[in-house]
Amino acid sequence: GAVVSQHPSWVICKSGTSVKIECRSLDFQATTMFWYRQFPKQSLMLMATSNEGSKATYEQGVEKDKFLINHASLTLSTLTVTSAHPEDSSFYICSARDQGRDHNEQFFGPGTRLTVL
Amino acid sequence: GQNIDQPTEMTATEGAIVQINCTYQTSGFNGLFWYQQHAGEAPTFLSYNVLDGLEEKGRFSSFLSRSKGYSYLLLKELQMKDSASYLCAVTDSNYQLIWGAGTKLIIKP
Repeated sequence: GAVVSQHPSWVICKSGTSVKIECRSLDFQATTMFWYRQFPKQSLMLMATSNEGSKATYEQGVEKDKFLINHASLTLSTLTVTSAHPEDSSFYICSARDQGRDHNEQFFGPGTRLTVL
Repeated sequence: GQNIDQPTEMTATEGAIVQINCTYQTSGFNGLFWYQQHAGEAPTFLSYNVLDGLEEKGRFSSFLSRSKGYSYLLLKELQMKDSASYLCAVTDSNYQLIWGAGTKLIIKP
């Protein structure tokens, strides 16, 4: 159990376009999901915490108008990278917290590799 | 501020034992996680400690001392597939997960 899927697994887009990444909890409900970004050979960087039915909480330095997060249901959160530029190329990973478990383990999706040309 | 320290890189030999240390200073404590991350992949859960002591799970064990703000991940009978980054993460008083930078473990034959 506790499977998180992410779609797409990789995407290549032109500079200036928008890209939407979906994160789904397949067998549990997740009121809270997290979006991370990871550059090569660096650690995970939390971008924002996505709460079902309310606005996302963004970390300092993350532009909320550029990285739009929507958590419309208990099993789906989306991250839209608007007007993408080459510096946005990165590995984007989502995770979801299973409220039904004793501890606050986060289950990770497989990640989405974004390349902006 | 909140801080988690772990070595940047470690090297070990196949079949041997390696211990990866993690020290933390956070506002509150609600558990410590160890995750494994292979290059280009998402992290996968290894262990969770919330009470002091040793948790053993097959070849992997994790230890916690809350009074010392210290944990270690012990890997036995190392295999080449264990080459990966190992991430230490602490849940603070707000149940936010604070991540360490990760330890890259290199296994040599």
